[in-house]
Amino acid sequence: GGIITQTPKFLIGQEGQKLTLKCQQNFNHDTMYWYRQDSGKGLRLIYYSITENDLQKGDLSEGYDASREKKSSFSLTVTSAQKNEMAVFLCASSRTGTSAETLYFGSGTRLTVL
Amino acid sequence: GDQVEQSPSALSLHEGTGSALRCNFTTTMRAVQWFRKNSRGSLINLFYLASGTKENGRLKSAFDSKERYSTLHIRDAQLEDSGTYFCAVAGNKLTFGIGTRVLVRP
Repeated sequence: GGIITQTPKFLIGQEGQKLTLKCQQNFNHDTMYWYRQDSGKGLRLIYYSITENDLQKGDLSEGYDASREKKSSFSLTVTSAQKNEMAVFLCASSRTGTSAETLYFGSGTRLTVL
Repeated sequence: GDQVEQSPSALSLHEGTGSALRCNFTTTMRAVQWFRKNSRGSLINLFYLASGTKENGRLKSAFDSKERYSTLHIRDAQLEDSGTYFCAVAGNKLTFGIGTRVLVRP
């Protein structure tokens, strides 16, 4: 078995601030993902990476940057936090990058922007 | 684009009873995954199906690609089954439904 660790669990920022979320996995999976979950909506893909140093934009990439520094870690940066923004950011990994592959999720980072 | 609808949006069950959650989608999909988000926010993988049915304890899931739906059955519901259940269907990309909130009452 493996685990996906997201840090921090809770993140409070100010409007306009640059904020970074981190994710580590020890599954030795090739592909990692960042999803955003808003209340009443399904998970939306922000960025994904199929291997170290690879980056692919998802449906919601505007306003975010990502970095796959090594196979086990994938970080997400909110480039300019929006006032009153509240969402949960979920990191996931899968063995390969095909859509028909089991995803494993971290427990999320809850963002609040004041 | 691909659309996924989950029903019902919310479900209340008494302990020991059962019910079914449904996931409908608009185009032919290769596989479906079911997840449960628990009270701590963790998204737990319940099932991955490319066809047919799978059973795991008190949970059973079916996937019918031709008829474009998947179901998740809960039997003998327990308090720890409470949470939000998401389906995600695999076409060109993975598309998530908005979830079904399940509350199991004593």
